[in-house]
This record gives sequence, structure tokens and C-alpha cells, in this order.
Amino acid sequence: GAVVSQHPSWVICKSGTSVKIECRSLDFQATTMFWYRQFPKQSLMLMATSNEGSKATYEQGVEKDKFLINHASLTLSTLTVTSAHPEDSSFYICSARDGRDIYEQYFGPGTRLTVT
Amino acid sequence: AQRVTQPEKLLSVFKGAPVELKCNYSYSGSPELFWYVQYSRQRLQLLLRHISRESIKGFTADLNKGETSFHLKKPFAQEEDSAMYYCALSLMIKAAGNKLTFGGGTRVLVKP
Repeated sequence: GAVVSQHPSWVICKSGTSVKIECRSLDFQATTMFWYRQFPKQSLMLMATSNEGSKATYEQGVEKDKFLINHASLTLSTLTVTSAHPEDSSFYICSARDGRDIYEQYFGPGTRLTVT
Repeated sequence: AQRVTQPEKLLSVFKGAPVELKCNYSYSGSPELFWYVQYSRQRLQLLLRHISRESIKGFTADLNKGETSFHLKKPFAQEEDSAMYYCALSLMIKAAGNKLTFGGGTRVLVKP
């Protein structure tokens, strides 16, 4: 089956620093990847849609200068949280869509970010 | 704007009892609806989608456009069904991809 990995699985950083999270599709080419944020005991909120080779599309209320997304290849998308603050602490989940199936998204295991 | 509502945050049932998770949606277009499941310490995975009309792990869901609902049902719950369940609505934005809008989730606890 299609597998999506994320790295790191958890990260602690200090306020003001930046942290990069990687999302990889391991056995398929992902024309589109999605980034979600999940607060404790809450649902997933879509942050942005990332298409390979083009700029990401951000959802309303998501700061594109703070959450930088790069989708440089068909198997890798990165989310960089710039100048992180404690309120950015959350669980970040990516998903990838196989170009052959326009409906199904395969989810990564998530990355827990804690900003101190 | 589209919206997905799961009114129950927690459902607790005994093993062998029926379980129904409610999902209502609001969307002016033609919806594509999904149920995702997240077992403890595991990633989110697709359980079923209405377009395939299939039964997975004994679960079924019927899209009722009149009531704008997509409730998930299983006649006999098993302990391994204990998990977090999310109803999701997909918007088709041209051919660029489907954006998923998730409901708040329902935690199912199946007691022995």
C-alpha cells in the first residue's frame, strides 16, 4: 500500500527559531500533498495544499510567510515553521494524493512540535 | 462554506452491540464523503468512501442527500473497533485535487 512518512516524528525548539518538517511519499508519486494541523483532542484543520512545482495554496487564516511550504519533487514536501512561538505547538500531519486516484489521500504519522 | 458535523464526541458501547456514528454535512454542491479511522498511536487511514459503496470491517455508511447525512454503522461492535472516527467531505477543485474538510471526530470505546 501507499506509505507516507514524516520526519521528524517529534521536535522541540526554542521560541524564535525555525523548524522544518519533511513529508515523503515512499512508494508512489504524489502530485499533491496536504498539510494539516491538529490540536489536542480536536480535528484536523487543513493548512495548505501543495502541488509539485508550484506555489502552495493556503487556507484562509493561515500565514503563508510563517508556514513555508515547498514541494520540490513528486515525493517530497516540506513545511517550515518560521520564527516559532509557543502557540505554534501542535501536531502537524501531511497527506499525499496519488495521481492515479483523485479521491484518496494517504496520511503521514504526524509530527509533534513543541515550542518552548 | 462546507461544514461537517459529528455531534457525538464519545460513543461507548458493549461488544456485540450495534454502533452508529452520526455525520451531517452542509455543502451546496455534490458531495464526496469519507470516513477515516485513527487507531491508538496510528496514523489516520481511510475506512470507506460513499462512492465505492463497500463494507469495510463490517462498517457501512449510506449517503442521504435529503437529510445531508452520512452515518456510519456496524451491527456488532468489536473491541478492536475502539478508535477515533472522522467523517470528511471532499471538495473537488477542478482537477487539482480534493480538499478534505473533517468533522470534529467521534471517539468510540467498545467495552468487553
